[in-house]
Amino acid sequence: DIQMTQSPSSVSASVGDRVTITCRASQGVSSWLAWYQQKPGKAPKLLIYAASSLQTGVPSRFSGSGSGTDFSLTISSLQPEDFATYYCQQANSFPWTFGQGTKVEIK
Amino acid sequence: QVQLQESGPGLVKPSQTLSLTCTVSGVSISSGSYYWSWIRQPAGKGLEWIGRVYSNGNTNYNPSLKSRVTISVDTSKNQFSLKLSSVTAADTAVYYCARDQGGADPWGQGTLVTVSS
Repeated sequence: DIQMTQSPSSVSASVGDRVTITCRASQGVSSWLAWYQQKPGKAPKLLIYAASSLQTGVPSRFSGSGSGTDFSLTISSLQPEDFATYYCQQANSFPWTFGQGTKVEIK
Repeated sequence: QVQLQESGPGLVKPSQTLSLTCTVSGVSISSGSYYWSWIRQPAGKGLEWIGRVYSNGNTNYNPSLKSRVTISVDTSKNQFSLKLSSVTAADTAVYYCARDQGGADPWGQGTLVTVSS
């Protein structure tokens, strides 16, 4: 299985801050990388697919980059509704695998 | 818009079979454009992909669960289903269904399944 490692595991930030989360794959996944946001008690929500494509309806302050083994999700100006846990997921090789999650908390 | 809804028992006894159904609305599964996935999340933990099914019944499973999992599709009802046999407490989780298109979207709201006697 491809292991997905996110860093940091948690980050404390303030409204308006720029936040970057990284995701590293144990082997190359090309651009088959998605990012999700999950709030407590809710299903995950797709933010980014194909490493850098913004899902319809997702605010443009979210962006994704990378290919191969190293990826990042950036929130350019953190908003109150962005405090949540974020997951990366590879869809290059079965089984699809997720990172362990990064919790974005209020500073 | 496309919506998914999980249904099934919330409590399953150890060694029995967990059975869940996902009802899809807003798009026909038989249109053949997408795969349909099951994903689970134990309380306070991360996400685990269980497997997926195509409209023609083709499946892909997580090898860690493959010996116990069956995912099937019923295009006449616009539903797909999950069966997980020989469950233990380790299978207690929120189970989600989702459309698989290079990323999972949308997701159902999730259903908690507890394995306990």
